[in-house]
Amino acid sequence: EVQLVQSGAEVKKPGESLKISCKGSGYRFTSYWIGWVRQMPGKGLEWMGIIYPGDSDTRYSPSFQGQVTISADKSISTAYLQWSSLKASDTAMYYCARVKTGTNFFDYWGQGTLVTVSS
Amino acid sequence: DIQMTQSPSTLSASVGDRVTITCRARQSISSWLAWYQQKPGKAPKVLIYKASSLESGVPSRFSGSGSGTEFNLTISSLQPDDFATYYCQQYNSYPLTFGGGTKVEIK
Repeated sequence: EVQLVQSGAEVKKPGESLKISCKGSGYRFTSYWIGWVRQMPGKGLEWMGIIYPGDSDTRYSPSFQGQVTISADKSISTAYLQWSSLKASDTAMYYCARVKTGTNFFDYWGQGTLVTVSS
Repeated sequence: DIQMTQSPSTLSASVGDRVTITCRARQSISSWLAWYQQKPGKAPKVLIYKASSLESGVPSRFSGSGSGTEFNLTISSLQPDDFATYYCQQYNSYPLTFGGGTKVEIK
């Protein structure tokens, strides 16, 4: 059974750093792109970027390029999303999701990680 | 970026109704479009890909149509479990983009 299990909710202050995780299981982690999607409170879905854990090839949305870093550790089947300096506007639910092979849509999703940034 | 526009943003309907949601792309995306359903507090779930292909396990009352710049998601007979928010997503070119969502509410 394919599963993506994300790390737990985080409460941080502006300016702090953060790295959240997404662990894949039930499939060959290195053979599928994994992406991150932001959902701000009460708002829609925003595609942030994707990574291919096999070779760490990464694509970012211009809206998020330079604001976050997407990475993966294939030895532990885990993808990451990190911030070096959080802002209040980063408060959102963040989902990781697997890209269906040969396409670019998401077929399996993690449960989401709620990030709250508040002073 | 390819902008995706959904209409309506909110739709009120009754159980048993036939419901259609529209998604328009600013430029042609061929058939590279997916539809997702999201319920409150849950992750999205894919319903349709390549504009009209039904994802495995999705009820046949859901169907997709269209190509180029205009697409539809139709629910043939709305069920209580279908009250949710629906999003389209283009995957023709990076950055991939979602529509703004359509909330289907109980009338």
